[in-house]
Amino acid sequence: GESVGLHLPTLSVQEGDNSIINCAYSNSASDYFIWYKQESGKGPQFIIDIRSNMDKRQGQRVTVLLNKTVKHLSLQIAATQPGDSAVYFCAEIPETYKYIFGTGTRLKVLA
Amino acid sequence: ETGVTQSPTHLIKTRGQQVTLRCSSQSGHNTVSWYQQALGQGPQFIFQYYREEENGRGNFPPRFSGLQFPNYSSELNVNALELDDSALYLCASSRQGAKSPLHFGNGTRLTVT
Repeated sequence: GESVGLHLPTLSVQEGDNSIINCAYSNSASDYFIWYKQESGKGPQFIIDIRSNMDKRQGQRVTVLLNKTVKHLSLQIAATQPGDSAVYFCAEIPETYKYIFGTGTRLKVLA
Repeated sequence: ETGVTQSPTHLIKTRGQQVTLRCSSQSGHNTVSWYQQALGQGPQFIFQYYREEENGRGNFPPRFSGLQFPNYSSELNVNALELDDSALYLCASSRQGAKSPLHFGNGTRLTVT
């Protein structure tokens, strides 16, 4: 399939290591946040979400951290696997109809 | 549960032409949103449809228009195509109400020459 992005920031990690992908958001009114994973040739796939009344939320191998003071969001992936290679986007949601996506980070898992 | 499906998967058009892209929403979802994703960028919000009416719009000109049908499927129409309209067009469905994840299709890759 076609590449999702050719000049994205890239994070390279060894298989089995933990990955941390960061995102800064801009709108103080945003009270809901989502991380998406996009593989080449596919649409964004939901990973995990968090609401502004929480600082941390855990899923299977993934954790999202929210720091509202500095408007920062991070996605931690434990024991990174080759199948985790993709572009990751954060989205902030200030209004119910409009999701604002970041520019994305490409994660490369090295064998 | 049927996911979001989009057609066609790829399309090549000439500048000045018009194009219609189609989307079937996930079962149980009544809201459809369209996003434009240029190469190397995140998706940009075009508009959202609920109850067959536009429910919100991003910073796109009027030549981008849409429809939602009673079965919640949707069309995106773009008139007077420009070279910069070349992008991946993503459809996403959701349920109206509390904020919740959008469920995306795999998109239509539009190339304008």
